[in-house]
Parts: sequence; structure tokens; C-alpha cells
Amino acid sequence: SYVLTQPPSVSVSPGQTASITCSGENLGDKYGCWYQQKPGQSPVLVIYQDTKRPSGIPERFSGSNSGNTATLTISGTQAMDEADYYCQAWDSKSPFVFGTGTRVTVL
Amino acid sequence: QVQLVESGGGLVKPGGSLRLSCAASGFTFSDYYMTWIRQAPGKGLEWVSHISHSGSYSKHADSVKGRFTISRDNSKNSLYLQMNSLRAEDTAVYYCARDLDGSGSYLFIWGQGTLVTVSS
Repeated sequence: SYVLTQPPSVSVSPGQTASITCSGENLGDKYGCWYQQKPGQSPVLVIYQDTKRPSGIPERFSGSNSGNTATLTISGTQAMDEADYYCQAWDSKSPFVFGTGTRVTVL
Repeated sequence: QVQLVESGGGLVKPGGSLRLSCAASGFTFSDYYMTWIRQAPGKGLEWVSHISHSGSYSKHADSVKGRFTISRDNSKNSLYLQMNSLRAEDTAVYYCARDLDGSGSYLFIWGQGTLVTVSS
């Protein structure tokens, strides 16, 4: 089955840039997206189709996808961005394959 | 406003059954794929099953195939998940979700989740 691997944790200082990677075989050939999940809350779609932001998502969230790696970048990170982040892509066997998840801590 | 509300979770013994429901409002339910996602305590997200607009197509994860069945009633704006032969490893918060644009991609609207606990 298709596997998406993320670092377990990323730490960032307020105002700095956080980059979260998602690795999968030929991931760049697929469209991917990213979800943010704060403690006790449901996930929120923050990036879809690799680079697009749904309405209401701040411009500081951006995405890219090439080769075997997709990246979610949070520019000017704020305390409210502290959350778990999951990448997601599609596979012939599973329409929704989720990454292992990354806890972003704003120090 | 656009909303999904799950219900039907609870405590069930191994081997038991449970039926989850998801009530949709604020949008044309029949225009969208619907999906069940679960999250075990302290763990990541796992796709369970999804169903097309009309209900003519559905797919289930291997981990639940043959035990869970997804269905929908567009006249009632409702999504269901019939769960049989439950196991301890099915313990999780179950979310229903709607896709972004009717294409079956990108889970844009999520419910608040309902907790299913399988334990003797």
C-alpha cells in the first residue's frame, strides 16, 4: 500500500517559517493536500491540489509538490498555527492516503 | 450554514454492531461524495469508506471490508455507516466529511466526530 511519511515534529519560533515535508513514491505525480488539526477539533483543509488555499485560509499557508516530496510552508508562523498537520494523496487502492502526521510547536 | 453532525457512537462489546449517522445541512447533499474517516485515540487519520453522490459507487478500506457498509439517503440528507463484527482496533472517533467540489477529492467539510469504543 502507498505510504506517506512525515516528520513527527517541527518546532518554530513565532514569526519564523515552518516547513513540513511529506514523502511518498512519485508523490509529485499525484495531487496532494494538507489538513490542520488542533487538539480536540476536527481537521481543517488548508491546502488542496498541491498549492491552492480554500477560502478563509490565511496567505501564510502555502504548498508545493515535486519529485517524491510535498511541502507545507507556514510563513510568519503564529501561536494559533500550533497543531497537527497531515498530508493526503490518492492511490489506486485507497482514495485517501494520509501521512503519518506532524506536530508543529510554536516556541 | 454548512454542517455535518454525526451520531450513533458509544460503547459496544467486541463482535457487536453499531450504526453511525451523519446529518447534513446547508448544502445540496446529493451533489457531493461523502466519506467516513476515523482517528484512534492519540493516532493519525485513517480513511474508512466513501460513497458517490447517488450511492451507486462505494469503497471501503481493507481493514473494514466485509464488516462495515457505507450508505446514504439523499431524501433525508443523511450518511450512514453500519459497523458489524466490531473489534478493539475499531475504537476511534469517526468523522463524516464532504468533499470540496463534488469530485470526490479533498475533504472540505468535517463533522465534529462521534466516539466508538469497542471493549468488553
